[in-house]
Amino acid sequence: AQKITQTQPGMFVQEKEAVTLDCTYDTSDPSYGLFWYKQPSSGEMIFLIYQGSYDQQNATEGRYSLNFQKARKSANLVISASQLGDSAMYFCAMRENSGGYQKVTFGTGTKLQVIP
Amino acid sequence: GAVVSQHPSRVICKSGTSVKIECRSLDFQATTMFWYRQFPKQSLMLMATSNEGSKATYEQGVEKDKFLINHASLTLSTLTVTSAHPEDSSFYICSADQIGETQYFGPGTRLLVL
Repeated sequence: AQKITQTQPGMFVQEKEAVTLDCTYDTSDPSYGLFWYKQPSSGEMIFLIYQGSYDQQNATEGRYSLNFQKARKSANLVISASQLGDSAMYFCAMRENSGGYQKVTFGTGTKLQVIP
Repeated sequence: GAVVSQHPSRVICKSGTSVKIECRSLDFQATTMFWYRQFPKQSLMLMATSNEGSKATYEQGVEKDKFLINHASLTLSTLTVTSAHPEDSSFYICSADQIGETQYFGPGTRLLVL
């Protein structure tokens, strides 16, 4: 079974509009962390936002917010007021304990294109 | 956020040679560093988890004798691709784990083996 599932290979959004990128996860570890990263064409991985499994409130970082629904095992990223510079690949990732050490698994990514 | 550096950013080498890639956490101590490999238009695949002072933990299918990992200090981990072949050409990226917080990634190393 896939640990992290991103069902949207590509998304388009109009500039200044909001967009939601989907992410679902699967783990039996009660303590885990969920991340979103942005990867522009340069290749670097840019950390956007983090949500811990025990965090009561949804994480927010500027224009980024994470819609954490624990029972549904989903951690969607919401980008508000999209900008042209937001065009990039977006990866959802999960950190969990596996065999006594921390392991991070990435989803397949969503390519976001912001249209002027 | 925390800063992680990687060196070199690009390397071209001949088949059969070895290449060393360094990953440094510049402003924090990282007890754990991760090494990933990314093929074009694909996601990051975890290769190994590097723990300071102990042997690295390799993912299934990753040859530990080919991809040597040394985590010499709390701020430095190295990945050595031994006897590189063209199929080893890829984008290698490291991340450093700040305890209780997120992982921060290095800028990546593009390896081309001729």
